[in-house]
Amino acid sequence: QSVLTQPPSVSGAPGQRVTISCTGSSSNIGAGFDVHWYQQLPGTAPKLLIYGNTNRPSGVPDRFSGSKSGASASLAITGLQAEDEADYYCQSYDSSLSGWVFGGGTKLTVL
Amino acid sequence: QVQLQESGPGLVKPSETLSLSCTVSGYSISNGYYWVWVRQPPGEGLEWIGSIYHSGSTYYNSSLKSRVTISIDTSKNQFSLRLSSVTAADTAVYYCARQLSGSSHTYFDYWGRGTLVSVSS
Repeated sequence: QSVLTQPPSVSGAPGQRVTISCTGSSSNIGAGFDVHWYQQLPGTAPKLLIYGNTNRPSGVPDRFSGSKSGASASLAITGLQAEDEADYYCQSYDSSLSGWVFGGGTKLTVL
Repeated sequence: QVQLQESGPGLVKPSETLSLSCTVSGYSISNGYYWVWVRQPPGEGLEWIGSIYHSGSTYYNSSLKSRVTISIDTSKNQFSLRLSSVTAADTAVYYCARQLSGSSHTYFDYWGRGTLVSVSS
């Protein structure tokens, strides 16, 4: 059971917009710790997608954006493409556990 | 370009110790940053195992702390993971990665390809 809760799956048609939520608590996201997002394509290692809640590393398309409010964060993907089909994970820090934690992951299916 | 490569046995017997190494290229680990191990059981999510600084200071996941040792060898530009008393629940793909800092706000920006370790007799 992850301390950061994500929906197990989301789906959308090409060109559409989807969002993936990441819900935490007062000991992690709600405490003000940054949220980061990773994309894991099938059979590959995770790749940093969003860092510091809203920032994109060099090379990540601006179709990907992050936001944070209170004890939750969201990843939005606009102009959905077939190549976006992957698992997405949020990550933050938990002060109760004194360590870094991941969400359970969300599988994005492009219809 | 920073690259990381995990290496070690793909099969470990129950109750024995899992040992993996991560070789870093394109960056000297003695120059800074933290270095981390993350694992992913088959079909499941990611779990942070622990982190180490080039000075040797470490942070461990509290749920694994009694069994985990992470060490660093700056002369070989490597860091290593040892997990003792393994069970089938430790079967996972193990990733090494670079951690930007020791700050609680930190993240993992470069990852190795991962190596599958199975625990079975």
